[in-house]
Formats: sequence, C-alpha cells, structure tokens
Amino acid sequence: QQQVKQSPQSLIVQKGGISIINCAYENTAFDYFPWYQQFPGKGPALLIAIRPDVSEKKEGRFTISFNKSAKQFSLHIMDSQPGDSATYFCAALTSNTGKLIFGQGTTLQVKP
Amino acid sequence: DAGVIQSPRHEVTEMGQEVTLRCKPISGHDYLFWYRQTMMRGLELLIYFNNNVPIDDSGMPEDRFSAKMPNASFSTLKIQPSEPRDSAVYFCASSLSVNYGYTFGSGTRLTVV
Repeated sequence: QQQVKQSPQSLIVQKGGISIINCAYENTAFDYFPWYQQFPGKGPALLIAIRPDVSEKKEGRFTISFNKSAKQFSLHIMDSQPGDSATYFCAALTSNTGKLIFGQGTTLQVKP
Repeated sequence: DAGVIQSPRHEVTEMGQEVTLRCKPISGHDYLFWYRQTMMRGLELLIYFNNNVPIDDSGMPEDRFSAKMPNASFSTLKIQPSEPRDSAVYFCASSLSVNYGYTFGSGTRLTVV
C-alpha cells in the first residue's frame, strides 16, 4: 500500500515533443505529490509538486495532472528539450508520517 | 546557501570495515532524511530526524546501520561492518517541514569490495 508505481521505465522523445510520465498509488492517505528530476552524479531536485485538492498545476513547460478518484497523477513536459534528458521520479507522502515514497524512476532522452 | 553538503563524495572500502557518511543540512531545516539509491531498489528511505530526534528508522536494513544527529547542523550514517551489498549511492536530504520540498545533497557513492 506504500508503493508508488511509475511508468514507463524509459522514454525517448524528439525535441519539441511532449513527454508524459505516469504514476499510480494505493494509499489514500497520501497528501503531497512531488516530482523530482535527477541528472547523473547529482541528487534528485524538486521539479514541481501538487496537493490532492487541485487537479492540475503548471509551472513553465511542466504540468502535473492529478486524478484523485483514479489515484493517478502524471507529469507532462511540453516542448521537450535535450536539456530535459534526465531521470524523473514521482513521489508521494503522508504528512503524518513524513515518509516520502518514490516511484522507480523514468529515464527520459530527448533527441535533438 | 550552500545546500545540503555530503562527504565524502566517493568511498571505496573493504568488506568488514566501518564506513561513516556525513551530512550537513540546510540551516533552519528541521527535518533530515537519509536515502539509499540502487538500480534494483530505487530510492529507499532509511531514517529521518525531526529536530535532531530520530522519528522513523524502519527503513534501516540491518543493525549494521546506525544514524545519529548530534546537533542541527550535522548527521552521520554509519555502517559497521560493511558488506558488498551495501554498495549504493547514499543521499541526505533536508526540509523545512514534513510536507515541503526536500533538498537533496549530491550523494556519497559507496563501493564495498
């Protein structure tokens, strides 16, 4: 019940295309859903986050879509750029435990 | 702000040796987390502290692992004795509050031979 399932494992997108990464969860107590971006040799960096009281959040080219009833959320990267090539992790947390649970990650490659 | 600082960046040690990883969180952050990253298991939470007090250590794999936070600006993760299966990247992260964005350090890549 603590798992966060992420797909796909890897993704190749052409420059200018849309990258979509999906996550699903079971624990309805999760109340914070961040996405992290990780470059090789670096730690994960917070990209964008959403709380379950909203269905969408947009920051620049990055958008989170959240479907509470389906217990799913996704990251959309518009106009994908080669610099976006990285590993992306979804995550979920319950405030009363403080434990941030990560998905398995998606390796994104944006081809020029 | 220098961010979360971890040392060393790389550690190579022989099986059976003691290993100590160090972390300096961002000043003012009340929460500190230790994660381990491997290809097989992804990012796993090992332990976290609130105001220097360990809150949840259920992710610590074995008694060989221990973590301390003697003050608000320093934490250690110790493995004694180390084993080859402990080889991984260990990350420290800190946060202002439990449901706020975590800031990760650059990690310590541990190799046990």
